[in-house]
Amino acid sequence: KAGVTQTPRYLIKTRGQQVTLSCSPISGHRSVSWYQQTPGQGLQFLFEYFSETQRNKGNFPGRFSGRQFSNSRSEMNVSTLELGDSALYLCASSPVPTDYGYTFGSGTRLTVV
Amino acid sequence: QKEVEQNSGPLSVPEGAIASLNCTYSDRVSQSFFWYRQYSGKSPELIMSIYSNGDKEDGRFTAQLNKASQYVSLLIRDSQPSDSATYLCAVNANSGNTPLVFGKGTRLSVIA
Repeated sequence: KAGVTQTPRYLIKTRGQQVTLSCSPISGHRSVSWYQQTPGQGLQFLFEYFSETQRNKGNFPGRFSGRQFSNSRSEMNVSTLELGDSALYLCASSPVPTDYGYTFGSGTRLTVV
Repeated sequence: QKEVEQNSGPLSVPEGAIASLNCTYSDRVSQSFFWYRQYSGKSPELIMSIYSNGDKEDGRFTAQLNKASQYVSLLIRDSQPSDSATYLCAVNANSGNTPLVFGKGTRLSVIA
């Protein structure tokens, strides 16, 4: 079966712009989590969604937002981009929120210049 | 602040040796423990999960959990060059409303 699909794979944006990243979970998986990965900080939790509801939010500024649709697809948005937002953004899906055997997508590599 | 600590490495082991990767966590109520492997330029991949004290074996991999000491480890027997990757430890409190917290990973290099 198809894995977790993230689009786009690569993105270059200018400071001050906004960006939207997309994640389609494995079919039947209703829980989607987003992580930011940087060399210095490792994987940091952004959000978790289940049944279109945000269950958890990490310690990121309000410029980071997300949502989940009725088909379980999820999007995250970053507004007013800063250089420090350059990172690999990973989406992970699981059947339900309490199943932490995540399957990760390939990620979106965001570069802010 | 829930934390998961790992030695960043690199941990270098010769081919055929046992690689031992360690992880400590700060939240005493943690209930679920995972090891993910991440090859360079790729996304993390789940390789082991463990929930109870003791050892859990899967092929060449053995996860060990000691909740009293708040540490979890991963042993890789008969290490192969293809095992060279970053290994991420992840912990969850299983309280129903907490995310999976990852360590920063240990880079393993298996030398042929």
